[in-house]
Amino acid sequence: NAGVTQTPKFQVLKTGQSMTLQCAQDMNHNSMYWYRQDPGMGLRLIYYSASEGTTDKGEVPNGYNVSRLNKREFSLRLESAAPSQTSVYFCASRITGASYEQYFGPGTRLTVT
Amino acid sequence: AQSVTQLDSHVSVSEGTPVLLRCNYSSSYSPSLFWYVQHPNKGLQLLLKYTSAATLVKGINGFEAEFKKSETSFHLTKPSAHMSDAAEYFCVVSDEASNYQLIWGAGTKLIIKP
Repeated sequence: NAGVTQTPKFQVLKTGQSMTLQCAQDMNHNSMYWYRQDPGMGLRLIYYSASEGTTDKGEVPNGYNVSRLNKREFSLRLESAAPSQTSVYFCASRITGASYEQYFGPGTRLTVT
Repeated sequence: AQSVTQLDSHVSVSEGTPVLLRCNYSSSYSPSLFWYVQHPNKGLQLLLKYTSAATLVKGINGFEAEFKKSETSFHLTKPSAHMSDAAEYFCVVSDEASNYQLIWGAGTKLIIKP
């Protein structure tokens, strides 16, 4: 199993450009998540999808949109990138049931100039 | 509301000496607690988790943590530090009130001196 995969690994955008970060998991997990990580802070939840066909806002959703394409894939879109969105983005998925641990992808390092 | 406080932003120890990374949490419900580790420029790996079973939890790489409800603490320890332990460590809480979302501490950077 590849676990959780993310593409791209690195990206540089100019202010106002758009892009989509891709995430896929092969563990048959129902729930998927997008986080951002900024220096000196823990991870902050952007959006999550509890199951295929549903999405919900997290702590910091402004400036982002998501699509749960199918059970495997959960994409994050920046419609008009801003320097404040410079960050490392992590996708995660969660096993169903009583265990709440999440499994993380390797991250995407995004710089907006 | 749920919250996590990691009491030290940086901890520096010599190789071969004990490690203590401190974490306090706030939760109105029976929480699940986790420690994740992030090595430089790498993703996040689960070290260990507490989910209402034994209060002393053993994890990977010789780490363990003890859940103390009376002190609302979940400190991470290791008897003898190794150079490969140098990384950032995150304490995380999850419970019913947070709809089982993970609430993250700000992280503690562990520095190992040779």
